[in-house]
Amino acid sequence: KQEVTQIPAALSVPEGENLVLNCSFTDSAIYNLQWFRQDPGKGLTSLLLIQSSQREQTSGRLNASLDKSSGRSTLYIAASQPGDSATYLCAVKQPTDSWGKFQFGAGTQVVVTP
Amino acid sequence: EAGVAQSPRYKIIEKRQSVAFWCNPISGHATLYWYQQILGQGPKLLIQFQNNGVVDDSQLPKDRFSAERLKGVDSTLKIQPAKLEDSAVYLCASSLDFGTGAHYGYTFGSGTRLTVV
Repeated sequence: KQEVTQIPAALSVPEGENLVLNCSFTDSAIYNLQWFRQDPGKGLTSLLLIQSSQREQTSGRLNASLDKSSGRSTLYIAASQPGDSATYLCAVKQPTDSWGKFQFGAGTQVVVTP
Repeated sequence: EAGVAQSPRYKIIEKRQSVAFWCNPISGHATLYWYQQILGQGPKLLIQFQNNGVVDDSQLPKDRFSAERLKGVDSTLKIQPAKLEDSAVYLCASSLDFGTGAHYGYTFGSGTRLTVV
């Protein structure tokens, strides 16, 4: 059974510092991995989607890497801002017959202080 | 493109009452998911539809939860009767996946926050 873990559960950094968020999964047979952002009381906003054949994806200040063999993904956020404060979740999509389903981690709650 | 629409945004009910949530996915998205997110936890899949057929409902508490997706578009999730532990955010998501081998990401709605008192 796929297990997705995100450590740490919470993180506080001063504005301007780079953020490094970790996601690990136990079964390397995945289709893709997606990083989401969740603001309090809101739904999930997709940040980056990495297919299993890719090593990384970049969007603006965000960069996500994927190492399937070691079961890890890392989300880097450069030059953090107070507006980056949110919970960040990773989800892996695993094979299920012809379809896939996402398994989520519990998330890392990030606070960026001015 | 329009996003995934969900309603209502908030709902407070007493235990043993019933409640229903509605979801309208992105146009053309064949796959629709309902997730339950309890405070402090990651979302847990309740049910997955491909068009109007159920692909996975292994974690749906079928004694009290039901879901349908008529005509392969809108979907409704119902809880009857509700328990205190059903207090959570109910998230709907959709995806382009057709089970053909190409794998897409999810787009989520804003969710419905349910409080059972």
